[in-house]
Amino acid sequence: GEDVEQSLFLSVREGDSSVINCTYTDSSSTYLYWYKQEPGAGLQLLTYIFSNMDMKQDQRLTVLLNKKDKHLSLRIADTQTGDSAIYFCAENSGGYQKVTFGTGTKLQVIP
Amino acid sequence: DTGVSQDPRHKITKRGQNVTFRCDPISEHNRLYWYRQTLGQGPEFLTYFQNEAQLEKSRLLSDRFSAERPKGSFSTLEIQRTEQGDSAMYLCASSLQGQPGYGYTFGSGTRLTVV
Repeated sequence: GEDVEQSLFLSVREGDSSVINCTYTDSSSTYLYWYKQEPGAGLQLLTYIFSNMDMKQDQRLTVLLNKKDKHLSLRIADTQTGDSAIYFCAENSGGYQKVTFGTGTKLQVIP
Repeated sequence: DTGVSQDPRHKITKRGQNVTFRCDPISEHNRLYWYRQTLGQGPEFLTYFQNEAQLEKSRLLSDRFSAERPKGSFSTLEIQRTEQGDSAMYLCASSLQGQPGYGYTFGSGTRLTVV
């Protein structure tokens, strides 16, 4: 079955790096995503990684995938107050019909 | 195209009443999804349409819930005989078949409060 787990809360100082971690159980996952949700808003896709990659960099964002351990991480460099939000890890498998989301990690950036 | 639109943004209803939500996806997206999100949780899958066909429904979707996408464009989600446990944010998302790397585009959601 599908299960995606994340730690609930992370607090960092402005300018530091943030690392948000996620573990998943479905070994057939083909795409893994990071979404951002700001208060009162829907989810916004930040980045994704295909399962045959182990790293992807996109400006301040770095995604690392350890497929053996089913572990995904999102690193945000030079974290800004505008990065404060809830970050969801998600996996997509089986023909792309359905994405399963984690419980979300609330990132608090302290000025 | 202004993205995925959901209406209303907020709905307060009395227990036992019926409610209907509407979702207008991005026009060229042929896939449409409904998710439910409760406080402190990630979105949970409810149902999925490809064009006008409803291809998958979650066990979460009891017989009080029904969703339609009659012309393969907008979709409605109806909840009959609402219960307090139905209080949640209902999120709609759309995507284009064959473009999984683009993920979903979400609407801002409809927040339902059952009193």
